[in-house]
Amino acid sequence: GALVYQYPRRTICKSGTSMRMECQAVGFQATSVAWYRQSPQKTFELIALSTVNSAIKYEQNFTQEKFPISHPNLSFSSMTVLNAYLEDRGLYLCGARTGRNSDYTFGSGTRLLVI
Amino acid sequence: AQSVDQPDAHVTLSEGASLELRCSYSYSAAPYLFWYVQYPGQSLQFLLKYITGDTVVKGTKGFEAEFRKSNSSFNLKKSPAHWSDSAKYFCALEGTGANTGKLTFGHGTILRVHP
Repeated sequence: GALVYQYPRRTICKSGTSMRMECQAVGFQATSVAWYRQSPQKTFELIALSTVNSAIKYEQNFTQEKFPISHPNLSFSSMTVLNAYLEDRGLYLCGARTGRNSDYTFGSGTRLLVI
Repeated sequence: AQSVDQPDAHVTLSEGASLELRCSYSYSAAPYLFWYVQYPGQSLQFLLKYITGDTVVKGTKGFEAEFRKSNSSFNLKKSPAHWSDSAKYFCALEGTGANTGKLTFGHGTILRVHP
């Protein structure tokens, strides 16, 4: 079956430091990978969408300078939260799918705590 | 712009009752609509989707939803509800064109089903 693994599941970083998280699609070749953030008591906000043969597109309020993403192949994506501060805490979710007519499979998320 | 509204932050009912979680959307074209469920401490799980065709769609765990273009709604239903349905439910919309692949989520509805 199609699975998406995210690593780490939970992490704590000191304010002002950076933290890298990984996302891997297993059992399928992802043509789209989307990164979301669920801040405490909020909904899921799209950070960026990576689609094969296209540049990574960041949503308003999220920048490449703050959330650089590496997507070297169809199965692996990593995102770094640079200079993390309190407002960056939350659950970071990675979703991947094989095409327009397939559904996103989401990973378990990486929960980021900033102290 | 695309948006999703889930007007009820909390819904509480007794096991055996019928549940209906409300969702309305705003989008200029024909949307793809989804329902996801998030159990405490877990990631998102896909329940069902509407793309086109039959306006009543059935999904996993005994859920169904009805797409009503007339009032831009996509309410989630299940009867009877079970205590294990207690979770947070998210309605989501995927647009077309430049918004393909981008899911916009509502703020979610926390459902509590008392045994």
